[in-house]
Amino acid sequence: GAVVSQHPSWVICKSGTSVKIECRSLDFQATTMFWYRQFPKQSLMLMATSNEGSKATYEQGVEKDKFLINHASLTLSTLTVTSAHPEDSSFYICSARAEGLAGASDTGELFFGEGSRLTVL
Amino acid sequence: AQKITQTQPGMFVQEKEAVTLDCTYDTSDQSYGLFWYKQPSSGEMIFLIYQGSYDEQNATEGRYSLNFQKARKSANLVISASQLGDSAMYFCAMTLDTGRRALTFGSGTRLQVQP
Repeated sequence: GAVVSQHPSWVICKSGTSVKIECRSLDFQATTMFWYRQFPKQSLMLMATSNEGSKATYEQGVEKDKFLINHASLTLSTLTVTSAHPEDSSFYICSARAEGLAGASDTGELFFGEGSRLTVL
Repeated sequence: AQKITQTQPGMFVQEKEAVTLDCTYDTSDQSYGLFWYKQPSSGEMIFLIYQGSYDEQNATEGRYSLNFQKARKSANLVISASQLGDSAMYFCAMTLDTGRRALTFGSGTRLQVQP
């Protein structure tokens, strides 16, 4: 089945530093990827839609200058948390829809990465 | 905008018994998709089952079945023959048929299977 890989799985950083999280589709192309944020014991909230070759579309309330998204190729999207602060500590998870994948289902199934747990000290 | 509601923060079930996790949704769109995902403590999101709004039959995937009642706007997940490994968070989610395919998630239900 389709695989989406996220890296790093865990990251701890000092306040004020920037952290980059990568989301890769390993065996399919994804013109669109989605970034979600999940606080402890809460649901996933959509942050932004990452579009290959164009600017990301951010959800209301998400600071685009804080959470930089780049989708430079059909298999890679990156989320950079700039000048991270403790309140940015969260679980970040990406997803992608398999496009052009042989035998891709019509369910529109989204494949999720393993998630990245960010802790800002 | 669409909305997903899961009213059960936590559920307990005995091993080998069946359990139903509730999910209701609200949308004015006629074309949409409903999903259930399992999230174990590791954090990964595991796809369980999908139901399209135009599907006339309830979706089934192994021990998982989706009880789709369109008029009531409910999409409950039924897990038969619960196993200890089923203990996890379960999220109901929805996407509109806009091609964008972003998911809107419910608040989740924590299922604990007891031996």
